[in-house]
Amino acid sequence: DAGVTQSPTHLIKTRGQQVTLRCSPKSGHDTVSWYQQALGQGPQFIFQYYEEEERQRGNFPDRFSGHQFPNYSSELNVNALLLGDSALYLCASSLFMGATNEKLFFGSGTQLSVL
Amino acid sequence: DQQVKQNSPSLSVQEGRISILNCDYTNSMFDYFLWYKKYPAEGPTFLISISSIKDKNEDGRFTVFLNKSAKHLSLHIVPSQPGDSAVYFCAATNTNAGKSTFGDGTTLTVKP
Repeated sequence: DAGVTQSPTHLIKTRGQQVTLRCSPKSGHDTVSWYQQALGQGPQFIFQYYEEEERQRGNFPDRFSGHQFPNYSSELNVNALLLGDSALYLCASSLFMGATNEKLFFGSGTQLSVL
Repeated sequence: DQQVKQNSPSLSVQEGRISILNCDYTNSMFDYFLWYKKYPAEGPTFLISISSIKDKNEDGRFTVFLNKSAKHLSLHIVPSQPGDSAVYFCAATNTNAGKSTFGDGTTLTVKP
């Protein structure tokens, strides 16, 4: 049973560039959430996708966008990269069960460095 | 405005002793709390959770205590093992909101 997979594992970009990160959820999961983890901090919620729509969004600018595909996989896009975007980007999958809380299953993350 | 705080960045304990990790929250709308463990180069993994209708939940060596009036929860690990050395994140969520809000983590080191 494959867990959450993310690609690439590491990425180096320069300021102003655009980046796309990819995530495949755990088998059987239909919801993907993206988190940004800066050094020394906890994961910060970016947004959540279910049924190919953005369901919730955290306090991140419009430069951060995403997409979910019919097979539940997801992409995170960041435009006009800033130095402050350097962080570990974590993808988490879960089951969307309405009002029921659900633990998250995380991938190993993509380490993005912006130079 | 950090709604979930883990005020101890690090904790060191001797193998076999108890580890107590603390977490405070400010948002009274949170009704579900989770602890995750993170090893280097891996994503966080779920450890244990507790609903706001309970004050204690136990799973093997791990017990989470919730004090709603104080908006405080703690994770107890007994007995601590060297393999427990990791970063522990406290997270809180609201049933209707779905998203999880994380603390900044506590690095636990268990010395043999």
